[in-house]
Parts: sequence; C-alpha cells; structure tokens
Amino acid sequence: LAKTTQPISMDSYEGQEVNITCSHNNIATNDYITWYQQFPSQGPRFIIQGYKTKVTNEVASLFIPADRKSSTLSLPRVSLSDTAVYYCLVGDSNYQLIWGAGTKLIIKP
Amino acid sequence: NAGVTQTPKFQVLKTGQSMTLQCAQDMNHEYMSWYRQDPGMGLRLIHYSVGAGITDQGEVPNGYNVSRSTTEDFPLRLLSAAPSQTSVYFCASSYRGSASGDDNEQFFGPGTRLTVL
Repeated sequence: LAKTTQPISMDSYEGQEVNITCSHNNIATNDYITWYQQFPSQGPRFIIQGYKTKVTNEVASLFIPADRKSSTLSLPRVSLSDTAVYYCLVGDSNYQLIWGAGTKLIIKP
Repeated sequence: NAGVTQTPKFQVLKTGQSMTLQCAQDMNHEYMSWYRQDPGMGLRLIHYSVGAGITDQGEVPNGYNVSRSTTEDFPLRLLSAAPSQTSVYFCASSYRGSASGDDNEQFFGPGTRLTVL
C-alpha cells in the first residue's frame, strides 16, 4: 500500500516562496505524483501532477528527484488566499489514489 | 457546463434510516468515485466506478451501496444509517481513474454534509 508522509502544518508570509515536501518511499514504477488543494467546506482541487524531474504550470512547480521517493510542491509568492490544506497523492496496489491527512498551510500577512 | 453536482448539500438522519446521495457529472467522464472526509482527516475512498455498469469497493465500503446505470450519474446509498457515518461526502469524476498514468485529474462536487443522530 503506497503511502505518503507530509508535514502536518506549515506557516509562511505573503510574498514568500513555500515548499512542501512529500515522502513516498514505496511509489510504484508507473505511478504519477499528484497534488491537490482544499479550502474549508469545499472539495479538493487539482494543482499539479508529475512523473519525474520538474513540472511547472501557472500556479505551482513540482520537483521530483531521480529516485522518486519524494517530491516537493513549490508555491511562488504566496498570498493569503493560498491558505489551505495541500495533499500529495500516489497510488495503492490497485492504482487507486490514497489521500493522507495533508499539510495545513497558513499564510500570514 | 455544471461539472460535478451533488444533492443534497446538508442532511440529518436518524439511526437506521436509509437515503441516497445523488451525484451527476456532465463532462462525459468514465471514472467516478465517492469519498468521505471526517474532521481533520484526508479523504477515504468508499466506492468507485470505471464506467457504466461497473463498480468496485474502495477503502471503506461497508454500509454503502452504489450503482452506475449511466455515465452521468453515480448515486450512493446508505442502507441503515449509523452515527459513525456522520461525515462530509464528496463525489468526484475524472477522464481516467488510475494512479498509473497522467490525465487523471479528479473534479470534485461541493460535498454533502451528513449528520446521523
């Protein structure tokens, strides 16, 4: 059963770059790594997905080392509206996505 | 394009009652799933479907039934509600459901907040 380990919570300030690291030691060869964001009382929202090296989109970057046992979500120049819970997902033996408790990110003014 | 819709938004049940949570999507996605989320926890997969007529169990299926007669709809039935089923329920759909591969972005509904007394 593939699982992920993330920090329970993180604090940062507006305008800073925030990096959230996720450990997934047992990731399967074919698994992608996916990150979601969830605001209170809302369903999660897809942020970014990658397999190896680096992926960048308009909101975030995802860094994946060669051994793929971890990944880092990077949020550039965060604002108060980035306060949310961030989930790192990989698959289980049936290739279903496993959701951990996530990282609660609090952005301060 | 409404995306994923869920009804009702809120529901209170008494122990032993049954009900159906409705979920519909208009994106022609083959993969649909139901999750529950307890306070401070991540999502746990209840049931999922890879296409019309095909369903399978997730991590916590006991006490719940599903069916998938059309691509658009994926209702979740609580057979005999228990206080342990008090939770927020999310329905999601995606083009692909497997973690093995890309293009499996899940689109979530707004959730149903269920309380069982």
